[in-house]
Amino acid sequence: TQLLEQSPQFLSIQEGENLTVYCNSSSVFSSLQWYRQEPGEGPVLLVTVVTGGEVKKLKRLTFQFGDARKDSSLHITAAQPGDTGLYLCAGVFGGSARQLTFGSGTQLTVLP
Amino acid sequence: DTGVSQDPRHKITKRGQNVTFRCDPISEHNRLYWYRQTLGQGPEFLTYFQNEAQLEKSRLLSDRFSAERPKGSFSTLEIQRTEQGDSAMYLCASSSGLAGGVEQFFGPGTRLTVL
Repeated sequence: TQLLEQSPQFLSIQEGENLTVYCNSSSVFSSLQWYRQEPGEGPVLLVTVVTGGEVKKLKRLTFQFGDARKDSSLHITAAQPGDTGLYLCAGVFGGSARQLTFGSGTQLTVLP
Repeated sequence: DTGVSQDPRHKITKRGQNVTFRCDPISEHNRLYWYRQTLGQGPEFLTYFQNEAQLEKSRLLSDRFSAERPKGSFSTLEIQRTEQGDSAMYLCASSSGLAGGVEQFFGPGTRLTVL
């Protein structure tokens, strides 16, 4: 069974601070996606990374995919209250698998 | 709105009753997935369709659960003889079969409460 570990589980910071969320697995991902979820809603796709060492930027969010494709990080610069939400990483572990395996998420609260 | 839609958004039922949820994927997507999410956890995979064929089922999908996608468009998920442990958010996602089709787009979910 492939598992994804996310850390930290909870994060509460002040507006303007920077933060990093981590996603790790003992298995190699064929692709990895980051989602953000608000209470009572479905996850919204932020980014997909496929290539080891890949870095993608989405405004103040920077996503990195580890060289060995076993880990990923999400860095937010100058966090804003609107960034508050549950951040989920999800990986596809290759072969014929199509389903996503999710981490348990990082609940981020950005205080004004 | 051309995103994934789910109906109903909320369902409250009594233990032992049957419930059915519907998912309408993004129109050009041929892959459809069902996931279940409990409080404080990430979504867990239940089952996957490519067109009308159900290609994969999780061990989480007990024999009380059945999913269909009869015409390769919308899908239904039925839970028979509901139990309190079935209370969760049921999420549907779809993806394109093109270019590896790795990106899955989720609907808003159906929140099930079993009393």
